[in-house]
Amino acid sequence: AQSVTQLGSHVSVSEGALVLLRCNYSSSVPPYLFWYVQYPNQGLQLLLKYTTGATLVKGINGFEAEFKKSETSFHLTKPSAHMSDAAEYFCAVRVSGGYNKLIFGAGTRLAVHP
Amino acid sequence: DAGVIQSPRHEVTEMGQEVTLRCKPISGHDYLFWYRQTMMRGLELLIYFNNNVPIDDSGMPEDRFSAKMPNASFSTLKIQPSEPRDSAVYFCASTSGTGRSEQYFGPGTRLTVT
Repeated sequence: AQSVTQLGSHVSVSEGALVLLRCNYSSSVPPYLFWYVQYPNQGLQLLLKYTTGATLVKGINGFEAEFKKSETSFHLTKPSAHMSDAAEYFCAVRVSGGYNKLIFGAGTRLAVHP
Repeated sequence: DAGVIQSPRHEVTEMGQEVTLRCKPISGHDYLFWYRQTMMRGLELLIYFNNNVPIDDSGMPEDRFSAKMPNASFSTLKIQPSEPRDSAVYFCASTSGTGRSEQYFGPGTRLTVT
């Protein structure tokens, strides 16, 4: 069975600092992995995804994530935080066996301070 | 494309009343998901459909909850009777294809049961 663990429910960074949000997954099959962002009072929006191929995936708003099979990780990074990055971020893994069902992590709330 | 459309965006009702939430998926998508988000429990999958057929309703909290998808462009989530603990944000999402495609989320319905 698949599962997702996001380390740190709250992360705080200074504007211009590196953003690192951690995600570890468990999967018995090659995983499809996703990062979503949720701004206040909005739905979830895809940041990036990994399915196959290149393990370093670039997404919107300057975010990227690297799939590391040996570490079962898919951490999200951004070199320089912007105030507008303040939001909640969710890591998800697709459940094997079809039907496009996702299992979401508990989320990490990112705060960016001046 | 207009994206996933949900209505109403906000709903306030009294305990015991029936509540119906509505969702229009993205045209051409054959999977539809209903989620509930609360501070305490995070993002929970309630039920999902493939080609208008319910595939897994194991996340539906109890018999007071029901969902239908009469056609490819419309789904409802009904709560009858509603209780204060049902207060949450309810999201609808849709997707298609092999699982490499992301789920597209609607803006959500914020339900408050007094």
